[in-house]
Amino acid sequence: QVQLVQSGAEVKKPGSSVKVSCKASGGTFSSYTISWVRQAPGQGLEWMGRIIPILGIANYAQKFQGRVTITADKSTSTAYMELSSLRSEDTAVYYCARAGDGWFDPWGQGTLVTVSS
Amino acid sequence: QSALTQPRSVSGSPGQSVTISCTGTSSDVGGYNYVSWYQQHPGKAPKLMIYDVSKRPSGVPDRFSGSKSGNTASLTISGLQAEDEADYYCCSYAGSYTSYVFGTGTKVTVL
Repeated sequence: QVQLVQSGAEVKKPGSSVKVSCKASGGTFSSYTISWVRQAPGQGLEWMGRIIPILGIANYAQKFQGRVTITADKSTSTAYMELSSLRSEDTAVYYCARAGDGWFDPWGQGTLVTVSS
Repeated sequence: QSALTQPRSVSGSPGQSVTISCTGTSSDVGGYNYVSWYQQHPGKAPKLMIYDVSKRPSGVPDRFSGSKSGNTASLTISGLQAEDEADYYCCSYAGSYTSYVFGTGTKVTVL
């Protein structure tokens, strides 16, 4: 049974960066695809990007191109999502999820990132 | 890429059926059989309920069913139960460039 456990809440200043981790257990990490999805307060879900750890290849939603970097460390079965040039609109809960062809399951518990001066 | 369109809310009494629509375009919902649905209770992570348009993961009650016609996908909850009260989101694959797009979300209320 795959489980994803994310790092804790963060408070960041505008213009700074945040790096959220997602540690997987169960299954074979390298065979997953890990996606990152965010949800602003009271809003819907938004796909940000994904990585295929076994290949080390990531691709990103156009909206976040140039601001987001998704990486994976196979030795620790951990994926990371780094978002730079933070602004108040980036305040959201960030989720990682194992991704298949068109589905996401399971999801991490979510990490609240608050951007405030 | 615009979000898929869902009704803001639907409601029904226990035991009744409700259907949530998810309207996209030929570039997403209409172009691929990769539509999935997620249930989200307040303060919780989303949970996969339907994938590949109509398949149910192990453990999901058969009260939940999915379908698609053209550019619109649907999720039907039959025999509505109190624990089904939650937000529901559809999601579609949208090609290698855009990858994935979610719906606007629907709040299901059990009266």
